[in-house]
Amino acid sequence: KNQVEQSPQSLIILEGKNCTLQCNYTVSPFSNLRWYKQDTGRGPVSLTIMTFSENTKSNGRYTATLDADTKQSSLHITASQLSDSASYICVVSYPTSGTYKYIFGTGTRLKVLA
Amino acid sequence: DTGVSQDPRHKITKRGQNVTFRCDPISEHNRLYWYRQTLGQGPEFLTYFQNEAQLEKSRLLSDRFSAERPKGSFSTLEIQRTEQGDSAMYLCASSRDRGRFGELFFGEGSRLTVL
Repeated sequence: KNQVEQSPQSLIILEGKNCTLQCNYTVSPFSNLRWYKQDTGRGPVSLTIMTFSENTKSNGRYTATLDADTKQSSLHITASQLSDSASYICVVSYPTSGTYKYIFGTGTRLKVLA
Repeated sequence: DTGVSQDPRHKITKRGQNVTFRCDPISEHNRLYWYRQTLGQGPEFLTYFQNEAQLEKSRLLSDRFSAERPKGSFSTLEIQRTEQGDSAMYLCASSRDRGRFGELFFGEGSRLTVL
């Protein structure tokens, strides 16, 4: 069964600290993996996309890694800011019948405290 | 590129009433998706259009739910005889056929509260 699991469910850190969020998936075949940031009450916004051949991709203070062999991804946030408080959702897509399907994780809720 | 827009952003209704949400996708995007999201959960797939054709519906989409995309542009999601369990955020997303591995662009969502 195609699944995406994220950990931890929630996380509280102090401003300025680093953190790492995890995403494990069992989706096959694999096309790409995205990390989305979702502020409370808003729609998700894409942070990074990683394809099969990519190991690391950065977007400012966000760095995503992908291990396609173990089917694991991580999102590392450096020097956290209060504005990083949000839910982070891992989405894995796979090709099927000429289109893509998307499997969503349940997200990690991050709270950054001053 | 004005992004995906959804209307209304918030809707409060009494149980048993009908509600309709509208989504305007990014203009050149031919694919449009509806998702439902409850607190603390990831988005759950409801239905998907390619142009005006509704190609897939989730089992979550009961008989009380109907979605249309009459001219392949904007879409509406109607919920009839609302129930308290319908309270959720309804998200719309769009994508292009061959754009960046099918990247989904989301709207801000329509939050429904059924009293």
